[in-house]
Amino acid sequence: KQEVTQIPAALSVPEGENLVLNCSFTDSAIYNLQWFRQDPGKGLTSLLLIQSSQREQTSGRLNASLDKSSGRSTLYIAASQPGDSATYLCAVRPIETSGSRLTFGEGTQLTVNP
Amino acid sequence: EAEVAQSPRYKITEKSQAVAFWCDPISGHATLYWYRQILGQGPELLVQFQDESVVDDSQLPKDRFSAERLKGVDSTLKIQPAELGDSAMYLCASSFGPHNDGYTFGSGTRLTVV
Repeated sequence: KQEVTQIPAALSVPEGENLVLNCSFTDSAIYNLQWFRQDPGKGLTSLLLIQSSQREQTSGRLNASLDKSSGRSTLYIAASQPGDSATYLCAVRPIETSGSRLTFGEGTQLTVNP
Repeated sequence: EAEVAQSPRYKITEKSQAVAFWCDPISGHATLYWYRQILGQGPELLVQFQDESVVDDSQLPKDRFSAERLKGVDSTLKIQPAELGDSAMYLCASSFGPHNDGYTFGSGTRLTVV
């Protein structure tokens, strides 16, 4: 059974700092990995999607990497801002014969202090 | 930008009552998912549709939950009777296909059972 772990569970940093969020998964048989952002009481916003054949994806100040063989992904946020404060969720899409559920980690709650 | 529409945004219901949630996926997305997210946890799949057919409902509590997508477009998730433990965020998502596409989530329905 696929399991996804995110470390740390919570992170508080001063504005302007560069930071890394970590995600690990137990089964490397995946189609892709997706990073989401969730603001309190809101739905999920997709940030980056990395296909299993890719090593990284970039969008603005965000960069996500994928090492499928070791079961790891990182989300790098450059020059953090208070508006980046949210919960960041990592999810993998397994290769299964039926269904295509995402398996989520429990998230990293990020607070960027002004 | 295309969105997944969900309603209502918030719902408070008494224990043992019936409650229903509605989702309209992005136009052209054949795959629709319902996820449940308990506070502080990652979302977990309840049911997946491919067009109007259920692909995966292995985690759906079928004694009280039902889901339908009659014409392969919008979908309804129903709970009857609601229990206190059903209090959670109910998220709908859609994707173009079941494999290499990213998900797009709606804003969710926050259910509180009292």
